Amino acid sequence: EVQLVQSGAEVKKPGESLKISCKGSGYSFTSYWIGWVRQMPGKGLEWMGIIYPGDSDTRYSPSFQGQVTISADKSISTAYLQWSSLKASDTAMYYCARRGQYYGESRYYFDYWGQGTLVTVSS
Amino acid sequence: QSALTQPASVSGSPGQSITISCTGTSSDVGSYNLVSWYQQHPGKAPKLMIYEVSKRPSGVSNRFSGSKSGNTASLTISGLQAEDEADYYCCSYAGSSTPHVFGTGTKVTVL
Repeated sequence: EVQLVQSGAEVKKPGESLKISCKGSGYSFTSYWIGWVRQMPGKGLEWMGIIYPGDSDTRYSPSFQGQVTISADKSISTAYLQWSSLKASDTAMYYCARRGQYYGESRYYFDYWGQGTLVTVSS
Repeated sequence: QSALTQPASVSGSPGQSITISCTGTSSDVGSYNLVSWYQQHPGKAPKLMIYEVSKRPSGVSNRFSGSKSGNTASLTISGLQAEDEADYYCCSYAGSSTPHVFGTGTKVTVL
């Protein structure tokens, strides 16, 4: 069974750093792109970026380039999203999602999602 | 890359059909048959309902269908049921440097 399990909720202060995780299981982690999606309170989904764990090829939305870092450790089938200095406006639910594949070729939709990690940034 | 435009809300009575539009540009929706749709119930993760404009993943009801014309994609829910009440988001491929862009989201209410 394919599963993406995300790390637990975080409460941080502005200026602090944070790294949240997304552990994949039930499939070949290195063969599928993993994306990150932000959902601010009461708002819609925003695509942040995506990584291919096989070679760490990473793409960012222009809105998030330079604001976050996406990485992966294929030895433990885990992708990460990190901030070096959090702001109150980073308060949101963050989802990881696996991009689909068809006969070994990557597809442009997200077929499995993690349960989400709620990040709260408040002084 | 701007978000794709969806109506904020759509409603219908049980058994009726409703259609949600998703308008992009010639750089995203108009150029690729790579639109997907996601259903999100309150407090839950999104769920893939339609991919590549009109394909349904295994397990998704055939009451859900997708189509596209020009720069606008559409999701139709036929035989509306109470469990269909949720938020719906479209998403399109938008090129290799920024491969994904989501829609603004539509709240579906079953009257």
